[in-house]
Amino acid sequence: DAGVIQSPRHEVTEMGQEVTLRCKPISGHDYLFWYRQTMMRGLELLIYFNNNVPIDDSGMPEDRFSAKMPNASFSTLKIQPSEPRDSAVYFCASSPTLSDVASNEQFFGPGTRLTVL
Amino acid sequence: SQQGEEDPQALSIQEGENATMNCSYKTSINNLQWYRQNSGRGLVHLILIRSNEREKHSGRLRVTLDTSKKSSSLLITASRAADTASYFCATHTSGTYKYIFGTGTRLKVLA
Repeated sequence: DAGVIQSPRHEVTEMGQEVTLRCKPISGHDYLFWYRQTMMRGLELLIYFNNNVPIDDSGMPEDRFSAKMPNASFSTLKIQPSEPRDSAVYFCASSPTLSDVASNEQFFGPGTRLTVL
Repeated sequence: SQQGEEDPQALSIQEGENATMNCSYKTSINNLQWYRQNSGRGLVHLILIRSNEREKHSGRLRVTLDTSKKSSSLLITASRAADTASYFCATHTSGTYKYIFGTGTRLKVLA
């Protein structure tokens, strides 16, 4: 398996523009997570899905952020309009299952480095 | 908000020495994981320890968990230059399906 795939790897955009980040989880994984990493705030969970359904979006910073998972093999994180403070590395991760007896390992993608000018 | 706080924030050691990183958390957990992140890369899972376990080993890694103190430690023995990375703890609380990551320890192993 190729692992979790994210695109683009780097994105530079101007304030006010729409940004769409893409993620392809590992086939067969039931859970998909979106994280944001900055020096100031560390690694923050934005939203996670189970079987394509958003379960917890309490980490989404504001209405400018939205995430979708139209099918088991694809998810998007959209920022509209983007602002300079959105500059960060955005990670997608997937997990086969989460339970008290499973390994609960999350597999991370390489990340998308977003710069908003 | 951060659940786990790693200590120290940065650590620099010589190759061959042992490296110890600590993680403290605030609420009761179901299990705790440690991840490694190389510069410019995604996180990689290292080891998981459950709340009813006190110690686990995996290769050169040794993890301890003290639920009474709400703390965990990661020991890397006989460190190598390739161990240079940031290390994060992540806590899982029963009733949720999410992990909260700590602030990380930046480890530098000098050859």
